[in-house]
Amino acid sequence: QVQLQESAPGLVTPSQTLSLTCTVSGDSIASGGSYWSWIRQRPGKGPEWIGYIYHTGSTFSNPSLQRGVMISVVPSKNQFSLKMTSVTAADTAVYYCARQVRGEGYNKWYFDLWGRGTLVTVSS
Amino acid sequence: QSALTQPASVSGSPGQSITISCTGTSSDIGSYNYVSWYQQHPDKAPQVIIYEATKRPSGISVRFSGTVSGNTASLTISGLQTEDEADYYCASYAGRSTLLFGEGTKVTVL
Repeated sequence: QVQLQESAPGLVTPSQTLSLTCTVSGDSIASGGSYWSWIRQRPGKGPEWIGYIYHTGSTFSNPSLQRGVMISVVPSKNQFSLKMTSVTAADTAVYYCARQVRGEGYNKWYFDLWGRGTLVTVSS
Repeated sequence: QSALTQPASVSGSPGQSITISCTGTSSDIGSYNYVSWYQQHPDKAPQVIIYEATKRPSGISVRFSGTVSGNTASLTISGLQTEDEADYYCASYAGRSTLLFGEGTKVTVL
């Protein structure tokens, strides 16, 4: 059974850096069979795609975020991570990691497996 | 890039069929077949119910179906059941390696 589990600090101070890690079990990031994404959902709003990474380290992020978003991967630990710099209260959201389906060499642009999500609150 | 447009709420009685629309532009829904739909129950993660506009993942009820016409995608739920009461979100590839989600539709079973 494949599972994704987010870990995060819960509370982040404004202007600081938000850091989250997703640990994958039951699937191998190194196998290259999927892309690995971060998605957030502000209270009462729809999801917002943040970005994804492949096991090679190739990554794409949402240009609408207009901030320092860094996604990294450690295939040997079966983990990938998200860092967002200079956060504000508007970054308060439930953050999900998710598996993004890959076809035969191309991105199918949907998520077949999600973590349970973790609430990150930006507040002083 | 703006979020895809969905009605805020749709309701129906058990056994009825309802349809949720998702309106985008010629740069997203109108250009790519990568439209997906997600069901989200309260305090749960979203779950994909339709991908590539019309395909159902294994284990998803045949009561859920998807279509696309022009810049608008639609999700139809047939034979509405109480467990279908949830929030529904559409998503579409928008080119240049980016993805848009819809604003969400709350489905109420009367």
